[in-house]
Amino acid sequence: DQQVKQNSPSLSVQEGRISILNCDYTNSMFDYFLWYKKYPAEGPTFLISISSIKDKNEDGRFTVFLNKSAKHLSLHIVPSQPGDSAVYFCAARRGGSQGNLIFGKGTKLSVKP
Amino acid sequence: DGGITQSPKYLFRKEGQNVTLSCEQNLNHDAMYWYRQDPGQGLRLIYYSQIVNDFQKGDIAEGYSVSREKKESFPLTVTSAQKNPTAFYLCASSYLDREGQPQHFGDGTRLSIL
Repeated sequence: DQQVKQNSPSLSVQEGRISILNCDYTNSMFDYFLWYKKYPAEGPTFLISISSIKDKNEDGRFTVFLNKSAKHLSLHIVPSQPGDSAVYFCAARRGGSQGNLIFGKGTKLSVKP
Repeated sequence: DGGITQSPKYLFRKEGQNVTLSCEQNLNHDAMYWYRQDPGQGLRLIYYSQIVNDFQKGDIAEGYSVSREKKESFPLTVTSAQKNPTAFYLCASSYLDREGQPQHFGDGTRLSIL
């Protein structure tokens, strides 16, 4: 049973436009949510996180929004750049389990020039 | 500079053979983790360790073993009991006492069966 779901396997966006990647979760006990970016044959790179007590966190071109009532979070990238093309993983931390993460299956973002 | 080093990058295993994947970190992180990634799938937790000489099973520990004799090192052994070992293996590490600190990942080892 998937506790973290990324329902869109892929997303294609024009350079300069906004990219919106979505993630849904089922467990109310998650206390932190994280987004990672991954290129082929490399390890994931941390992008941005948000605590479950907040609804928005911003870092440069990246903003994460959390809607706890809907158990939904999203990553906005504005403006999108070709170098943003990668697989993006949403991850949720199980509260009290000292950092253990549950990952979604990822969304492949393609930013076209 | 600091980071997580996984070796080798590619590894081949014969039937019935145990193989060990190396993971070293110089970030002074307390915790270390092993994940497995299959095509089109997310990362699944195999084992994790919060302190030296202690480790816990993750969601898919069967057929794997680990050790944590030093803070910097967390090797993973894929035993012959793991019937489907072909995958991309990722090691990660993190602090435990800093709220919201993310896990940092190595560049992975791709294991294939001969």
